[in-house]
Amino acid sequence: GAVVSQHPSRVICKSGTSVKIECRSLDFQATTMFWYRQFPKQSLMLMATSNEGSKATYEQGVEKDKFLINHASLTLSTLTVTSAHPEDSSFYICSASEPPRGGSIVLDTQYFGPGTRLTVL
Amino acid sequence: SQELEQSPQSLIVQEGKNLTINCTSSKTLYGLYWYKQKYGEGLIFLMMLQKGGEEKSHEKITAKLDEKKQQSSLHITASQPSHAGIYLCGADIKGGTSYGKLTFGQGTILTVHP
Repeated sequence: GAVVSQHPSRVICKSGTSVKIECRSLDFQATTMFWYRQFPKQSLMLMATSNEGSKATYEQGVEKDKFLINHASLTLSTLTVTSAHPEDSSFYICSASEPPRGGSIVLDTQYFGPGTRLTVL
Repeated sequence: SQELEQSPQSLIVQEGKNLTINCTSSKTLYGLYWYKQKYGEGLIFLMMLQKGGEEKSHEKITAKLDEKKQQSSLHITASQPSHAGIYLCGADIKGGTSYGKLTFGQGTILTVHP
C-alpha cells in the first residue's frame, strides 16, 4: 500500500510557541489530505481537509487561525499549531487519499501517517 | 450519541479463538474502512468496503458490509497475539461534498492471550 510519513513523530514545546507538523505522501500524489487529532483512549476526530492549491476547510469547532494548514504541493501538507497551550497536547494524524488504480471505483483508499505526539508544557 | 458505534468496546480472547467486531452507523454508509492501531501509533489500513454485501478477506481477517443494516463486521479466525491492538472502523457517512472525510467509531481494544 501507499506510504504516508509525518515529521516529527514527537515534539515537546513551551506554552505560547508554534509547532509545525509535516505530512508527506511518499509514493503517490495526494490532492487532498486530512488532519485528525486523537485524545488518549479516544477515537480520531477530523479537524480539517487540506486541499492542494486552495484553502483548507475546517470542521465545526476547529479554529482555523490556531491550526494553520498549508498544502503547498501534491505530496506535502503542513499543520501549524500556533500559540500552543497545554490543552492542544494530543496525537495528530494525517491521512492522504490514493486515487484508485484501474476500473471505476468510487472511493479512494485512505492511508494514514504514523502520527505526531505533541506535548505542550 | 456516536454516529458510528463499535461493539464491543474491548475484547479479551484466548489465542486460537475466533472473534467478531461490529460497526453500526446511524446514517447511510458511502464507504467503510477498517484500520488497526497500536496505542500511540498510526493506523494500518486493513480493508475498504463500498458495496452492500461486499466481503473481503486478508489472511485471517474478513470484513463484510451490510448496507441495508448500515453495518459492517470484522471477523478474525484463529486469533493470535499479533492481532492484538485497537480496531477502528471509519466511514464516509455524508457523501456528496464531504467525499473522503471519515467519521470514526470509538475503537475496539483487542487483547489476545497466548
